[in-house]
Amino acid sequence: AQSVSQHNHHVILSEAASLELGCNYSYGGTVNLFWYVQYPGQHLQLLLKYFSGDPLVKGIKGFEAEFIKSKFSFNLRKPSVQWSDTAEYFCAVNARRALTFGSGTRLQVQP
Amino acid sequence: NAGVTQTPKFQVLKTGQSMTLQCAQDMNHNSMYWYRQDPGMGLRLIYYSASEGTTDKGEVPNGYNVSRLNKREFSLRLESAAPSQTSVYFCASSERLDNYGYTFGSGTRLTVV
Repeated sequence: AQSVSQHNHHVILSEAASLELGCNYSYGGTVNLFWYVQYPGQHLQLLLKYFSGDPLVKGIKGFEAEFIKSKFSFNLRKPSVQWSDTAEYFCAVNARRALTFGSGTRLQVQP
Repeated sequence: NAGVTQTPKFQVLKTGQSMTLQCAQDMNHNSMYWYRQDPGMGLRLIYYSASEGTTDKGEVPNGYNVSRLNKREFSLRLESAAPSQTSVYFCASSERLDNYGYTFGSGTRLTVV
């Protein structure tokens, strides 16, 4: 069965610090990978996605992610976080016919 | 605004009661989904509908039923609510199954006491 692991459950950073959130997946076939963000009290929004091609993908708000096939990873990065990045971040992978999500990482950015 | 609309936003049920969560999208999407979100467990797929007239089970279908009423609407029914169904429920839609640009609704927070 397909699965997604996010090992960082809660991350606290100061503004301007760099961010890297881990995501590992288990899937036997061609993968499509996603990061979604959920700001407090809001619904999920797509941050970025990888289907094929350049393994380094750029998303909205300065986020990027790198697909490393050999490590089954799709880590999310941002060079300098802002207080407004406080949110919960979900990694997701295609699975049979619908997305499988990881358990999420809660990011708290302190001013 | 175009998007996915869920009703109600909040609901409290007593154990054994039934209710239906409503979801409608106005983007002419073919595929629709119901997920539940629980702390530390991310989103888990309950049911999905690839197209009007079809529904399939997801990861956690037990205790739920769904109806794809038409292309726009996809409802989730709890026949006999249990405390384990206390959760936040999200409906989502996409143009088709192999298009993973999901649009999510704002969620329904359900408490079963």
